[in-house]
Amino acid sequence: DAEITQSPRHKITETGRQVTLACHQTWNHNNMFWYRQDLGHGLRLIHYSYGVQDTNKGEVSDGYSVSRSNTEDLPLTLESAASSQTSVYFCASSEPPGDEQFFGPGTRLTVL
Amino acid sequence: AQSVAQPEDQVNVAEGNPLTVKCTYSVSGNPYLFWYVQYPNRGLQFLLKYITGDNLVKGSYGFEAEFNKSQTSFHLKKPSALVSDSALYFCAVKSAGNMLTFGGGTRLMVKP
Repeated sequence: DAEITQSPRHKITETGRQVTLACHQTWNHNNMFWYRQDLGHGLRLIHYSYGVQDTNKGEVSDGYSVSRSNTEDLPLTLESAASSQTSVYFCASSEPPGDEQFFGPGTRLTVL
Repeated sequence: AQSVAQPEDQVNVAEGNPLTVKCTYSVSGNPYLFWYVQYPNRGLQFLLKYITGDNLVKGSYGFEAEFNKSQTSFHLKKPSALVSDSALYFCAVKSAGNMLTFGGGTRLMVKP
């Protein structure tokens, strides 16, 4: 069965370190998305991609970057982790015409 | 700009009773609307969507949603609630491109 996976599921890091969160989908979807979920803020879009070599900034992109070198993967990099980036991160993918997004299980990131 | 509002942070209902989780939206053009459910420590799961056609949409786990264009609403409903329905529910609307804009979420508590 097709799925979307994220790794690691839990990560503790220190302020200033570079961190990369992995997202891998086997749906063969062109559209991929990264969100963060925080209490009181719901889901906020960080970055998204509509295909290989395409990346776009979302609502809360400062301090984050993504790259898309193949269809299956969209890694999210925190260039210099900050305590404000402590959150749960979700990756999702979708494909027209339905456009419903399929979500990964999430990565809980703690920045100390 | 598209937006979604979920006016209730929490909905409490007794097992066996009908439940409604409210959602109102604001879009330009025809709305594409979605409902998702999130169980603890899990990613969001797609429940149902409205694109066009019948105003009553049926989805997973016995849920349905009623699209009302004049009231710009898309309320989630279930005739008989189960304790296992207790979760966080998100309404979403398709926004620019293939992105979704999510509401803030409503926590559903079903008591035995």
